[in-house]
Amino acid sequence: DTAVSQTPKYLVTQMGNDKSIKCEQNLGHDTMYWYKQDSKKFLKIMFSYNNKELIINETVPNRFSPKSPDKAHLNLHINSLELGDSAVYFCASSQDWDNESGNTIYFGEGSWLTVV
Amino acid sequence: AQTVTQSQPEMSVQEAETVTLSCTYDTSESDYYLFWYKQPPSRQMILVIRQEAYKQQNATENRFSVNFQKAAKSFSLKISDSQLGDAAMYFCAYRRDTGRRALTFGSGTRLQVQP
Repeated sequence: DTAVSQTPKYLVTQMGNDKSIKCEQNLGHDTMYWYKQDSKKFLKIMFSYNNKELIINETVPNRFSPKSPDKAHLNLHINSLELGDSAVYFCASSQDWDNESGNTIYFGEGSWLTVV
Repeated sequence: AQTVTQSQPEMSVQEAETVTLSCTYDTSESDYYLFWYKQPPSRQMILVIRQEAYKQQNATENRFSVNFQKAAKSFSLKISDSQLGDAAMYFCAYRRDTGRRALTFGSGTRLQVQP
């Protein structure tokens, strides 16, 4: 039973295409995130949703649009893909103000996007 | 803004030996959380250990322990009895207790374990 699951795990696509990455968590958490890990392994927050409401929106191109249909799902849609979008995208979730989980953020396995 | 610094891009340790990975951070907050995540070649982010800033006692998880020095803003990870499976990238991360609560990561330390 995967706690935070992302699909697809690998995606190779051409420049200019539009693609989506889906994320689901079965932990009952109320907050979800998208992180980007670039080729130098640096991890950076992109978006965060709490109970379907956008709470963090970092400076990313508006070609990136997150959507949260419910608090267990957070999808990432990318328009007009560019070479520089190649990266590993991580979905994550947390249950804030929960002493038992220690405010820990749990990650999915990552979606490796390659734009050619 | 909070920053996290890992000054060791690469470290190497012999199997069964002990290694310490360094992490420093900058914050004006008094309450926060610190984490070490492990990323093996599979790329999955695995929680290794966490520390609440309000706790003075250093966290321990089996062979993994931390040295948390709040005044110095230092949070090092000690791996005892290193195993081949410990080889991975290790990321130090900071999380605020209020407001914007996404993780801020360091640049990572690649740990090699020599047989």
